[in-house]
Amino acid sequence: EADIYQTPRYLVIGTGKKITLECSQTMGHDKMYWYQQDPGMELHLIHYSYGVNSTEKGDLSSESTVSRIRTEHFPLTLESARPSHTSQYLCASSETKTSGGNNEQFFGPGTRLTVL
Amino acid sequence: KNQVEQSPQSLIILEGKNCTLQCNYTVSPFSNLRWYKQDTGRGPVSLTIMTFSENTKSNGRYTATLDADTKQSSLHITASQLSDSASYICVVSDRGSTLGRLYFGRGTQLTVWP
Repeated sequence: EADIYQTPRYLVIGTGKKITLECSQTMGHDKMYWYQQDPGMELHLIHYSYGVNSTEKGDLSSESTVSRIRTEHFPLTLESARPSHTSQYLCASSETKTSGGNNEQFFGPGTRLTVL
Repeated sequence: KNQVEQSPQSLIILEGKNCTLQCNYTVSPFSNLRWYKQDTGRGPVSLTIMTFSENTKSNGRYTATLDADTKQSSLHITASQLSDSASYICVVSDRGSTLGRLYFGRGTQLTVWP
């Protein structure tokens, strides 16, 4: 069982609200990721981080922002939620190895966001 | 374009039966291929990992194969159980970036009926 946690697990909010999805890992992993997943579709990378004070945008354009002030914490924020943001958001982490690309990404349980 | 295609999209089998899920990929340069299991409402969990030189790997009732020449992989589930009902996702990693970028298939939704 991976030690990576996400809260809340489910969130239903109204349009225009500001929200923060929390993600924490206790494995000391340097790399962390946020994915967006719609039903029946593949995961899309929206943000990632190589370590503290590092944040990068992923493949899928997203209006969300992230921060990485501590190694174990990688929150995602939406300043003004819209119905188009309704989706499942998955956080993941992996350790940095000096060679190869075999680093397994460990996923959290996800946050199911519904914006009305 | 790096892609991962899975088939079938969905599958229903009876408890105790075997099944095989397919994955074709075009990711290059190839690093490794993982099969993940994703239960409803949960995050994916890795079942197997295969590198270029490996062509079969087992994890209990799960056996994965890899043909790096044809860029195909399969996941065989033996003696299925109700708890096998989940989405099975093929994930390919490239070695062309320091991030170790992952390419995800859309998954095969497996339902096991009693």
